[in-house]
Amino acid sequence: AQSVTQLDSQVPVFEEAPVELRCNYSSSVSVYLFWYVQYPNQGLQLLLKYLSGSTLVKGINGFEAEFNKSQTSFHLRKPSVHISDTAEYFCAVSDRGGADGLTFGKGTHLIIQP
Amino acid sequence: DTAVSQTPKYLVTQMGNDKSIKCEQNLGHDTMYWYKQDSKKFLKIMFSYNNKELIINETVPNRFSPKSPDKAHLNLHINSLELGDSAVYFCASSQGTGGTEAFFGQGTRLTVV
Repeated sequence: AQSVTQLDSQVPVFEEAPVELRCNYSSSVSVYLFWYVQYPNQGLQLLLKYLSGSTLVKGINGFEAEFNKSQTSFHLRKPSVHISDTAEYFCAVSDRGGADGLTFGKGTHLIIQP
Repeated sequence: DTAVSQTPKYLVTQMGNDKSIKCEQNLGHDTMYWYKQDSKKFLKIMFSYNNKELIINETVPNRFSPKSPDKAHLNLHINSLELGDSAVYFCASSQGTGGTEAFFGQGTRLTVV
């Protein structure tokens, strides 16, 4: 079984400032890691994923995340946010078999202040 | 072209009714899922369906049943609806499982009154 913890339910940031959204996971097996974004009244869209290889993963819309195995973390970062980044961000894991689908964290609401 | 489409987008119904939500994907994927997002936006897997193998989250009441007429469709039937079933239900699909990207539909907001 695996679980995902997103420590911050809400993160307010000023426009053009950097942001980091935190994600920690626990699992007894090797996992794949994902970040999804949900804009208001929409479905989820993949931002980026870590499968293997380089621990720094770059995604869409200028986001990146770093996998840290020793700290079981997969924090999401963006150097300069825009108003359009206001959304709910979900960290998720799936085991290597994956048949059980994705296990999501509770989400972090990113609020961009002008 | 919508990759994963769900109908209806909104569904308001009375307690005790039976309802269905339809899902279709045109991506040629072999695995489909249903997720439930509660009022606090927490997402939880309900079912995954791959090559006629159904994996059920043990916490899902048996009033919920997925039905797949073919690889491109996975409908969700709900019997004897309860107030606590009010949520947003998302259909998703992927090619294979594990590290492949899941594509999500726009969601169906179910309100039970």
